[in-house]
Amino acid sequence: SQTIHQWPATLVQPVGSPLSLECTVEGTSNPNLYWYRQAAGRGLQLLFYSVGIGQISSEVPQNLSASRPQDRQFILSSKKLLLSDSGFYLCAWREQGWNTEAFFGQGTRLTVV
Amino acid sequence: AQSVTQLDSHVSVSEGTPVLLRCNYSSSYSPSLFWYVQHPNKGLQLLLKYTSAATLVKGINGFEAEFKKSETSFHLTKPSAHMSDAAEYFCVVSEAYNFNKFYFGSGTKLNVKP
Repeated sequence: SQTIHQWPATLVQPVGSPLSLECTVEGTSNPNLYWYRQAAGRGLQLLFYSVGIGQISSEVPQNLSASRPQDRQFILSSKKLLLSDSGFYLCAWREQGWNTEAFFGQGTRLTVV
Repeated sequence: AQSVTQLDSHVSVSEGTPVLLRCNYSSSYSPSLFWYVQHPNKGLQLLLKYTSAATLVKGINGFEAEFKKSETSFHLTKPSAHMSDAAEYFCVVSEAYNFNKFYFGSGTKLNVKP
């Protein structure tokens, strides 16, 4: 069966520090991978998605970037965090196709102080 | 362009009464539509999905949703609310022509009163 791992679960970082959140998927190959940010009252905002190794699509211009160095690994990064980067970040995977559902990791609560 | 609108940010019902959570979408092409639930401090769980087969879709925990193309709606219903249904619910759309994108609505928090 497929599993998705996302870590860390919580993170407190100072303003201006770098960020690296990692997500890995097991039990499937060539999945679509996604990073979302969840803010109160705003649902889940799609930040990045990837349909293959090295292929990243950005939905929202911001202080973050994403990379997919391996087929089942998706990384969310920042060189210098801002206070506004605080939030709950979720990684997800889907099999390729228009009618497939997404499966989510447990999320990372990021607090920038 | 595609988007999904959840009309109510909060819904409050009494236990044992019906639940209606509203979702409208805008899509130029045949969409796939999904409902997810997120319990407090838990991850997201798929409730049900519509993928152009039957317009009335049954999901887990007694929930169902009906796809109405003429109204561009995909409302989530349950005949009788249970305390354990208290959670946040998200409507999601994926379009056939650009199916890599997977867009969430802003969510509806369901409160169930005893």
